[in-house]
Amino acid sequence: GAVVSQHPSRVICKSGTSVKIECRSLDFQATTMFWYRQFPKQSLMLMATSNEGSKATYEQGVEKDKFLINHASLTLSTLTVTSAHPEDSSFYICSAPDQTGELFFGEGSRLTVL
Amino acid sequence: QKEVEQNSGPLSVPEGAIASLNCTYSDRGSQSFFWYRQYSGKSPELIMFIYSNGDKEDGRFTAQLNKASQYVSLLIRDSQPSDSATYLCAVNMGANAGKSTFGDGTTLTVKP
Repeated sequence: GAVVSQHPSRVICKSGTSVKIECRSLDFQATTMFWYRQFPKQSLMLMATSNEGSKATYEQGVEKDKFLINHASLTLSTLTVTSAHPEDSSFYICSAPDQTGELFFGEGSRLTVL
Repeated sequence: QKEVEQNSGPLSVPEGAIASLNCTYSDRGSQSFFWYRQYSGKSPELIMFIYSNGDKEDGRFTAQLNKASQYVSLLIRDSQPSDSATYLCAVNMGANAGKSTFGDGTTLTVKP
């Protein structure tokens, strides 16, 4: 099946700093990618839809200025958590549908903000 | 009411038994339904998808869809300890998985 790679898998940062997470589709082109956040023992919450060559579409309640999304190419989307705070600590996951529409998930990135 | 609801769990079954995971959804316009398995600390992986009413079988897994009742289930036959994970039900308005709405998941434990 298709492969989506996410990096870094774990990141620890200080409060107030920014963190960038990358999501790459390795063997297919993805015009759309999705970013989720998952808190412990909870389900995936869609944060935003990343669109190649245009602005991301954010879900209600998600601050677009805090969670910056860039989809500069057909294989790469990035999520930058700006001015991170401890409450931003979570498991961030990306996904991308391949040409058949099947959704493939990245490995996830566990962010800890001290 | 949540858009996608699953058994709160946790669900525990002995090895070799049938595990039954249930999911209901609120939007009658939903067209595609997915079951994902998520191991602790890992990302979800697709187990099965179903679009039409009835049963769909793939190995030890059977997905069942009843659109009139807005109900979708996943049966795991001959459960193995390696099946122990959280199972997420996802529902989509379109034909593709794209922007799916996820349930909170049911945690399954298969005891040897």
